[in-house]
Amino acid sequence: QQQVKQSPQSLIVQKGGISIINCAYENTAFDYFPWYQQFPGKGPALLIAIRPDVSEKKEGRFTISFNKSAKQFSLHIMDSQPGDSATYFCAASIGGSARQLTFGSGTQLTVLP
Amino acid sequence: NAGVTQTPKFQVLKTGQSMTLQCAQDMNHEYMSWYRQDPGMGLRLIHYSVGAGITDQGEVPNGYNVSRSTTEDFPLRLLSAAPSQTSVYFCASRWTGATEAFFGQGTRLTVV
Repeated sequence: QQQVKQSPQSLIVQKGGISIINCAYENTAFDYFPWYQQFPGKGPALLIAIRPDVSEKKEGRFTISFNKSAKQFSLHIMDSQPGDSATYFCAASIGGSARQLTFGSGTQLTVLP
Repeated sequence: NAGVTQTPKFQVLKTGQSMTLQCAQDMNHEYMSWYRQDPGMGLRLIHYSVGAGITDQGEVPNGYNVSRSTTEDFPLRLLSAAPSQTSVYFCASRWTGATEAFFGQGTRLTVV
């Protein structure tokens, strides 16, 4: 049973375009929703995170949109760059911290030059 | 500052062999955890520890043992390796209540 469903599995975007990755969750007790970025051969690293009391959080070119009623959240990468090519994981946890993260299945993003 | 260090980076085991994946962190984090990463399944929690002497099971604990004798180290033991344990294993650590988990670079394990 996958508690956090992520789509698409892979995404190809032209340089300068917008990349959008979506996640949906089932457990309404989740209260912390981070996104992790992973480059080949490396461990995941925290990119940006949001709590359900806000509908949007922006950090530079990266924005999380959160829809509590639909139990969905998404990552938007504006002006996508080849250096953004990586695997992105959404995740969720209970307790407002990074404890016992439940991860989505990942999205492999390729940004073409 | 080394962060989270995992050894080895690569390992090939024969079915039935045992081994220990090492994880060490130098950030004095109380919370440490082990995940496995499989294609199309994201990362799944195997075991975690909230401090020295305290461990608990995650989502997929079968076939794995852990112990936490020091704050710094959190080894993962495979008692009798099976092909289903072929995966990439990640160790992570953080301060209790922190919103960011720090991951090691992973151990790619193949069981033949």
